[in-house]
Amino acid sequence: AQKITQTQPGMFVQEKEAVTLDCTYDTSDPSYGLFWYKQPSSGEMIFLIYQGSYDQQNATEGRYSLNFQKARKSANLVISASQLGDSAMYFCAMRVSNFNKFYFGSGTKLNVKP
Amino acid sequence: EPEVTQTPSHQVTQMGQEVILRCVPISNHLYFYWYRQILGQKVEFLVSFYNNEISEKSEIFDDQFSVERPDGSNFTLKIRSTKLEDSAMYFCASSVTGANNQPQHFGDGTRLSIL
Repeated sequence: AQKITQTQPGMFVQEKEAVTLDCTYDTSDPSYGLFWYKQPSSGEMIFLIYQGSYDQQNATEGRYSLNFQKARKSANLVISASQLGDSAMYFCAMRVSNFNKFYFGSGTKLNVKP
Repeated sequence: EPEVTQTPSHQVTQMGQEVILRCVPISNHLYFYWYRQILGQKVEFLVSFYNNEISEKSEIFDDQFSVERPDGSNFTLKIRSTKLEDSAMYFCASSVTGANNQPQHFGDGTRLSIL
């Protein structure tokens, strides 16, 4: 069975500091993709970053990077130089081969303090 | 940048009524999805659709639900005989292919309130 776990229901970070949002996953499928989405208070889901199970390097997209530790089955999102606009809910999601759907974690609510 | 559009943004319906939620996926995308998010909970998969048929559905997607692609651009979710517990945010998403490395692009959601 596939499972995504986000153990931090809420996080606070000071503006301009870096923050790490945790995500662990469980699957027996060797081929999978890991995704992070941002959900502001307005409700839309915004794709941030992707990491493939066979990727050798950690993914980066601007201020977002993914700390992928395959042996630990973790895919933590690192946001550098936090901005007030980063305050939102963040969801980790996984997709495995032969299935179309995403499995979502329960989310982490990030609050950036000025 | 092309985006997935959903209408209406908010739907209020009496319990027992039927609702149709509408979505226009990104034009060159081939895979379409519906998810729902009950307030304060995680996003849950409902159904995926490819080549004019359902490719996968969850246990939530029972006979009360149906999907349709009535024309070349729209993708709809119909909920018959709505129940209070159907109140949720419903997200439509689309992706270019069904490959693992393809992100799903989400619409802004329709907030469904059942009274």
